[in-house]
Amino acid sequence: NAGVTQTPKFQVLKTGQSMTLQCAQDMNHEYMSWYRQDPGMGLRLIHYSVGAGITDQGEVPNGYNVSRSTTEDFPLRLLSAAPSQTSVYFCASSYSIGARNTEAFFGQGTRLTVV
Amino acid sequence: GENVEQHPSTLSVQEGDSAVIKCTYSDSASNYFPWYKQELGKGPQLIIDIRSNVGEKKDQRIAVTLNKTAKHFSLHITETQPEDSAVYFCAASMGFGNEKLTFGTGTRLTIIP
Repeated sequence: NAGVTQTPKFQVLKTGQSMTLQCAQDMNHEYMSWYRQDPGMGLRLIHYSVGAGITDQGEVPNGYNVSRSTTEDFPLRLLSAAPSQTSVYFCASSYSIGARNTEAFFGQGTRLTVV
Repeated sequence: GENVEQHPSTLSVQEGDSAVIKCTYSDSASNYFPWYKQELGKGPQLIIDIRSNVGEKKDQRIAVTLNKTAKHFSLHITETQPEDSAVYFCAASMGFGNEKLTFGTGTRLTIIP
């Protein structure tokens, strides 16, 4: 199993450009999330999904859109990139067994620089 | 919403000594507390977790303790080795899934040979 796969690994954008960060998981997990990691701030939740067709906002959603048309894929769209969106982005997936949550698996990250 | 505080931000210990990292959380509804290890250029990887109905859990050299009354939990690494050098994050979540983890700000652990 590949686990959680993120593409691209590195990206440089100009201010105002748009792009999509891809995330795919092959574990049939129902829950998927996007986080950004900035120095000294840990990981902060951008958007999340509890299943195909269902998404919601996290702590820092402004400037980002998501969709979940399939269980496997959860792309993150930057509509008009800003320097404040320079960060490392991580996608994660997990599932529940009955009422028990289980380990969240993370991708390797996408390092985005907006100039 | 939930808030997780983590201390210290940096920690250096001699190889073979123990390391302790502490976290506090604010929402008593949180019921799952994982610890992640992140090596340079990689994504976080789970090393141990604990649920709210358990006070302590151990896995070889790693242990986690949870005090629900005080709302704090700690990571203990014994007999530290150079490969333990990394950034460690605590987190908290509630509900059935882990789609909304709240992370601490991380501890950079350096093992001195």
